[in-house]
Amino acid sequence: GIQVEQSPPDLILQEGANSTLRCNFSDSVNNLQWFHQNPWGQLINLFYIPSGTKQNGRLSATTVATERYSLLYISSSQTTDSGVYFCAVEGGETSGSRLTFGEGTQLTVNP
Amino acid sequence: DAGITQSPRHKVTETGTPVTLRCHQTENHRYMYWYRQDPGHGLRLIHYSYGVKDTDKGEVSDGYSVSRSKTEDFLLTLESATSSQTSVYFCAIGRSRSEQYFGPGTRLTVT
Repeated sequence: GIQVEQSPPDLILQEGANSTLRCNFSDSVNNLQWFHQNPWGQLINLFYIPSGTKQNGRLSATTVATERYSLLYISSSQTTDSGVYFCAVEGGETSGSRLTFGEGTQLTVNP
Repeated sequence: DAGITQSPRHKVTETGTPVTLRCHQTENHRYMYWYRQDPGHGLRLIHYSYGVKDTDKGEVSDGYSVSRSKTEDFLLTLESATSSQTSVYFCAIGRSRSEQYFGPGTRLTVT
């Protein structure tokens, strides 16, 4: 099946800093989503972005499908951005209606 | 927030007992999913449903069964719980394959 690798695995920032999280995938995809899991365990859908660029406030994402990667940008980070960021993909002809998740990037934003 | 609830939120059970987790939605979404989340593995799909009585297996379906007799309810059953099924279980829903919204999770401990 499709492989998903996220980097870095851990990231520690001071409040106000910017960051870039990366997601590499091993095959063509027809669905790519970014999620945030806050410290209380709640999972929030951030972006559906199988290609192109989207922005939502301080967060933006870019997927370059031909090169098999996606980037999540967080600008002017806040302590509430802490948590785990997951990239999830659905790819090829065999996956059906299912997402494969990466192992996530653990982000800690310190005040 | 999507109208999605899970019950119970916490459960401790003994090895060999049957366990049923319930996912309930008020959004009338077509797609429903069950995932488990374990350290070092991210989220992994157990089963999913693309309509009433239409279900399919995910990547870690062994030891689990599901049923969906109504649009709003998706049940996950562990026929005979094992310690390896200790995990946090998340339900997700979506109108289409391009979006998933997660419930609050159920923490299951099998002793």
